[in-house]
Amino acid sequence: DGGITQSPKYLFRKEGQNVTLSCEQNLNHDAMYWYRQDPGQGLRLIYYSQIVNDFQKGDIAEGYSVSREKKESFPLTVTSAQKNPTAFYLCASFDDKDRGVFTEAFFGQGTRLTVV
Amino acid sequence: DAKTTQPTSMDCAEGRAANLPCNHSTISGNEYVYWYRQIHSQGPQYIIHGLKNNETNEMASLIITEDRKSSTLILPHATLRDTAVYYCIVRPHNAGNNRKLIWGLGTSLAVNP
Repeated sequence: DGGITQSPKYLFRKEGQNVTLSCEQNLNHDAMYWYRQDPGQGLRLIYYSQIVNDFQKGDIAEGYSVSREKKESFPLTVTSAQKNPTAFYLCASFDDKDRGVFTEAFFGQGTRLTVV
Repeated sequence: DAKTTQPTSMDCAEGRAANLPCNHSTISGNEYVYWYRQIHSQGPQYIIHGLKNNETNEMASLIITEDRKSSTLILPHATLRDTAVYYCIVRPHNAGNNRKLIWGLGTSLAVNP
């Protein structure tokens, strides 16, 4: 079945270490997005990519990095520069072609990162 | 981008209809209303969307007022599995504006046995 997969579901890391979260989709979507969610808050956009080899900063990109070498994959690295990395991270993909046709967002199941 | 206002929380008895309101008084003419829900510790899931006409699918119904300044999501027979946070979002239909989805705090719906 087509879908979007995030791994791992839970991740523990020591403070000061970089960590990479995986996001893979087989929906043939051009656009992929990373969000962060903190307890009791809405989703905040970290980075997004609308095409391979191109990505843009979202609202809270500081301390994060991404790459988009393949259409199917959009990994997110949480670097040691991120001051408060403990959060729930969500990856989403959209069919982002400008055709005026409705597209819905497909989300992965999330990765809960805890930094100790 | 238009903002939305939703109640923080609501309760509903199992088997009854759940009516979730959303105010979007600054919605512009080309913006649709979308509803998503997020079950605890999972990714959001699309429910339904509409422009100005009422819409219904297998999950829910969407009622949009004539002036489009508010809408109501209706879950006709709520079950315990409908317990989730429900997000009301407005955005242009143009797919290129997906990145401008503005996620508020949503409504936390508790369906009680």
